[in-house]
Amino acid sequence: GESVGLHLPTLSVQEGDNSIINCAYSNSASDYFIWYKQESGKGPQFIIDIRSNMDKRQGQRVTVLLNKTVKHLSLQIAATQPGDSAVYFCAENMGSNTGKLIFGQGTTLQVKP
Amino acid sequence: EAEVAQSPRYKITEKSQAVAFWCDPISGHATLYWYRQILGQGPELLVQFQDESVVDDSQLPKDRFSAERLKGVDSTLKIQPAELGDSAMYLCASSQSNPEKLFFGSGTQLSVL
Repeated sequence: GESVGLHLPTLSVQEGDNSIINCAYSNSASDYFIWYKQESGKGPQFIIDIRSNMDKRQGQRVTVLLNKTVKHLSLQIAATQPGDSAVYFCAENMGSNTGKLIFGQGTTLQVKP
Repeated sequence: EAEVAQSPRYKITEKSQAVAFWCDPISGHATLYWYRQILGQGPELLVQFQDESVVDDSQLPKDRFSAERLKGVDSTLKIQPAELGDSAMYLCASSQSNPEKLFFGSGTQLSVL
């Protein structure tokens, strides 16, 4: 079936380095993608989104890249800080305009001081 | 900043008992979602409301789960009877009428003993 997945369950980076979290999706009809951050015991928090008619979008310290050719999504975090430690999920809207998001399994980002 | 409110924060119950979760979405958000998140996995949609109507409940175990949003504002999710496998985080989310960016509450952590 259709699914959204992440390449690595855990990513460990040094404080101050840049982080790259990857996600592969399988539904070519998906037209909207979101990255969420989830800290322990909390609900997912919106980070950044991108529509399928774009290939890059920047926020504050974060950049999302979309490669529709290979169905790949990535989240780049610049100058990673201890507060960035969390689980990161990518999610795709299946293109039905219903708002139904399909979430991947998540990547745990660990920031070493 | 407006938030999605959920209660209770934690719930411990014995199997075969009934449990109920409450959610108050961000004011003005017409679309409300209930997601279930098993530890270590991404959230999975249980039910989606547009105002007071169910839009998608295809993943809701209807033999034991029910959800309502009678006045199109707050919502209740019920499980009766609870089973051991229902132990999970139950997340509520809402979005404006343009159903893309979802805002999540902090969730209800359910433990079934």
